[in-house]
Amino acid sequence: QLQLQESGPGLVKPSETLSLTCTVSGASISSSSYYWGWIRQPPGKGLEWIGTVSYRGSTYLNPSLKSRVTISTDTSKNQFSLKLHSVTAADTAVYYCARLPTGKQLWLTTLDLWGQGTLVTVSS
Amino acid sequence: AIQLTQSPSSLSASVGDRVTITCRAGQGISSALAWYQQKPGKAPKLLIYDVSTLETGVPSRFSGSGSGTDFTLTISSLQPEDFATYYCQQFDDYPLTFGGGTKVEIE
Repeated sequence: QLQLQESGPGLVKPSETLSLTCTVSGASISSSSYYWGWIRQPPGKGLEWIGTVSYRGSTYLNPSLKSRVTISTDTSKNQFSLKLHSVTAADTAVYYCARLPTGKQLWLTTLDLWGQGTLVTVSS
Repeated sequence: AIQLTQSPSSLSASVGDRVTITCRAGQGISSALAWYQQKPGKAPKLLIYDVSTLETGVPSRFSGSGSGTDFTLTISSLQPEDFATYYCQQFDDYPLTFGGGTKVEIE
């Protein structure tokens, strides 16, 4: 059964880098049928797409975060990762990883399977 | 970015009620619209994509409709497990964006 699981520190200091990994089990992230993405949700608020990575490592990033975000894949470990640099309290959120099935417009598609999410708090 | 405006932001309803949630896009998005259900403490779950196609396993009491800029999610007969927050999402253009959510509460 396909599962996605986020992992990483739950507390990050302001100005430092938030680093999360999503481990995919039950399927290969090297499949051309899917993209892989990160979404976040501040406490009590709505959803914000952070970015998407292809099986080849091409990335599509939200312009609002682009200057601070790096998304990469490690196919040997069947994982993909998120780095968000220079964090502030505004980056406190539940971070989700998700699978995106390749759509008619390739990476412009839905998020059909999600990890359980991990809360990351930015505080000194 | 394409703005998605959901209404209402919250509603109270009873089991068995018909519930309708609206999502309006700031520009035409063709049929590139999806709906998600999120329960407290859980990840969102894809319900509907391409405006009206039900994801596998989603009960038929859920339906979606609309075109262009105006879209609707309807729950024909609300069940206890349907009390949750619902989000629309567009995938017509970069960046992917979500509506602000509609919380469906028990009356």
